[in-house]
Amino acid sequence: DIQMTQSPSTLSASVGDRVTITCRASQSLSVWLAWYQQKPGRAPKLLIYEASSLQTGVPSRFSGSGSGTEFSLTISSLQPDDFATYYCQYYGSHSRTFGQGTEVEIK
Amino acid sequence: QVQLVQSGAEVKKPGASVKVSCKASGYIFTTIGMHWLRQAPGQRLQWLGWINTGDGDTRYSQNFQDRVTITRDTSASTAYMELGSLRSEDTAVYYCARDKTGNDFWGQGTLVTVSS
Repeated sequence: DIQMTQSPSTLSASVGDRVTITCRASQSLSVWLAWYQQKPGRAPKLLIYEASSLQTGVPSRFSGSGSGTEFSLTISSLQPDDFATYYCQYYGSHSRTFGQGTEVEIK
Repeated sequence: QVQLVQSGAEVKKPGASVKVSCKASGYIFTTIGMHWLRQAPGQRLQWLGWINTGDGDTRYSQNFQDRVTITRDTSASTAYMELGSLRSEDTAVYYCARDKTGNDFWGQGTLVTVSS
């Protein structure tokens, strides 16, 4: 089974900061990697798919990069609405595997 | 607009079964598969299984394949997830999510509590 590891587990940042979250896979994923934002009591929201494609309606301050086993999510200028937990996801053929999550908290 | 609306919260005793529904609207139900996932308190998201809403073919996680059954009713545009032999560790929020570019639309979640 593919294992997904995110870092850091928690990130403290201020409004306006540039933040980057990393996701590493135990084997190559090609580009089948997505990023989600989740707020307490809510379902996850798709931000990025195919490693770097921005989902419709998602602000352009979110970007994704990487391929193979190493990926990253960058928020170019953190906004108050962005304080949440972020998950990476491998979406293979008919299965899904998630990282453990990164909580972005107010510094 | 695409919507996935799930059934309400459930409380079950250990050993019982639970069946959660997910009604789709805003698109042609049989053209996009459906996944079921769950999130226990403070835990990462966990995949349970997938159904081809067109022909009913299914795939299950090895962790749940002996306890989970996913079905669909095309006339009602609804997918179902049934989990049996419940134990306390199955207490979680259960989600359905469309099989597109990862999971592009999610249901609102259904809290299942397993307690004696």
